[in-house]
Amino acid sequence: SQTIHQWPATLVQPVGSPLSLECTVEGTSNPNLYWYRQAAGRGLQLLFYSVGIGQISSEVPQNLSASRPQDRQFILSSKKLLLSDSGFYLCAWSVLSIGQSGTNYGYTFGSGTRLTVV
Amino acid sequence: AQKITQTQPGMFVQEKEAVTLDCTYDTSDPSYGLFWYKQPSSGEMIFLIYQGSYDQQNATEGRYSLNFQKARKSANLVISASQLGDSAMYFCAMRGLNTGTASKLTFGTGTRLQVTL
Repeated sequence: SQTIHQWPATLVQPVGSPLSLECTVEGTSNPNLYWYRQAAGRGLQLLFYSVGIGQISSEVPQNLSASRPQDRQFILSSKKLLLSDSGFYLCAWSVLSIGQSGTNYGYTFGSGTRLTVV
Repeated sequence: AQKITQTQPGMFVQEKEAVTLDCTYDTSDPSYGLFWYKQPSSGEMIFLIYQGSYDQQNATEGRYSLNFQKARKSANLVISASQLGDSAMYFCAMRGLNTGTASKLTFGTGTRLQVTL
């Protein structure tokens, strides 16, 4: 079965420090991978998505970057954190291609990382 | 472009009663999927139910059912026999289903449901 791992669960970082959040998927090949951010009490905002190794699409301009060094690994990074980077970060995966009726094409989410920048 | 609208920021329901969470959507995709997720205070996103735009019948999963009205572009979630453990944030989402494309899941702003005794 497919599983998705995301760590760390919580993180407190000072302003100006670097960031690296990692997400790995098991039990599937060539998944679509996504990074979402959720501000306190708000909805989910898509930050980055990837359809393959080295392929990254950015949805919003920001202080963060993403990389996909391996098929099932997705990394969210920052060189210098800002206070506004605080939030709940969720990694997710989905099937790559869509073409079979009756299949659930939703996302499977990791357990999230709660980042507080102080 | 896709848009999901959830007009109820918060809802209260008494235990054992049914509750309907509203969701309307807008899309230019001829084929799409609609989803509901539950987010408890722990933060994890839990998939509840899925409805394809091509499905003739409304989806059901245990106590969850999706009232899909395509002409009205609505996809309301109905939770029957509410339980205290249903208290959480609920998100409606949609995704285009064009074959071969990697379309993205668009979320609404969510509805916070509180189940009371």
